[in-house]
Amino acid sequence: DSGVTQTPKHLITATGQRVTLRCSPRSGDLSVYWYQQSLDQGLQFLIQYYNGEERAKGNILERFSAQQFPDLHSELNLSSLELGDSALYFCASSAQGQPNTEAFFGQGTRLTVV
Amino acid sequence: SQKIEQNSEALNIQEGKTATLTCNYTNYSPAYLQWYRQDPGRGPVFLLLIRENEKEKRKERLKVTFDTTLKQSLFHITASQPADSATYLCAPLVRVDSSYKLIFGSGTRLLVRP
Repeated sequence: DSGVTQTPKHLITATGQRVTLRCSPRSGDLSVYWYQQSLDQGLQFLIQYYNGEERAKGNILERFSAQQFPDLHSELNLSSLELGDSALYFCASSAQGQPNTEAFFGQGTRLTVV
Repeated sequence: SQKIEQNSEALNIQEGKTATLTCNYTNYSPAYLQWYRQDPGRGPVFLLLIRENEKEKRKERLKVTFDTTLKQSLFHITASQPADSATYLCAPLVRVDSSYKLIFGSGTRLLVRP
């Protein structure tokens, strides 16, 4: 158990809908990362937050947004969903925003858009 | 553009042999590089981190090398076991302005035959 909790584990929704994925980082970790992993694809970096502020951005679509709350949990909002958004979405946390600390990953949310 | 390349073909080896996985990167100058293990449907798990001023790092049966001239990292598992079968991800940490991005390669699948 990595200590990172993601909910829900599975989500099935229709095209055009909006969903929210939730991530609770490990206790004490200030940094949260979001990744998308499509079938047989690598992990695509979406966005990173550190202590409530956006720290780094990857190839995140404009239809997607995220935030980190004062209690450090984070939410990833996906809107106007398309079939191609079906993927595993992972959240990871680390103690600092710096690179010399490992990232701990949650078990992911499997999103299926039908 | 920046690229991380890992062998897309699976590496199939006999139990007891040494597995060597390659990570090549272009147009990056990572100060750190991490290796993760990912099992199907699960989040990646951190294995090792190596800094740019370290040529080699070891942890039990694992060894990582980092050649900043060749822009390559090698990941070795000695005395491999069937339980080592998984996908291994290379993740150079790249500085972007005042932050670091943890970017993953697409991974190499390792199969260890009993």
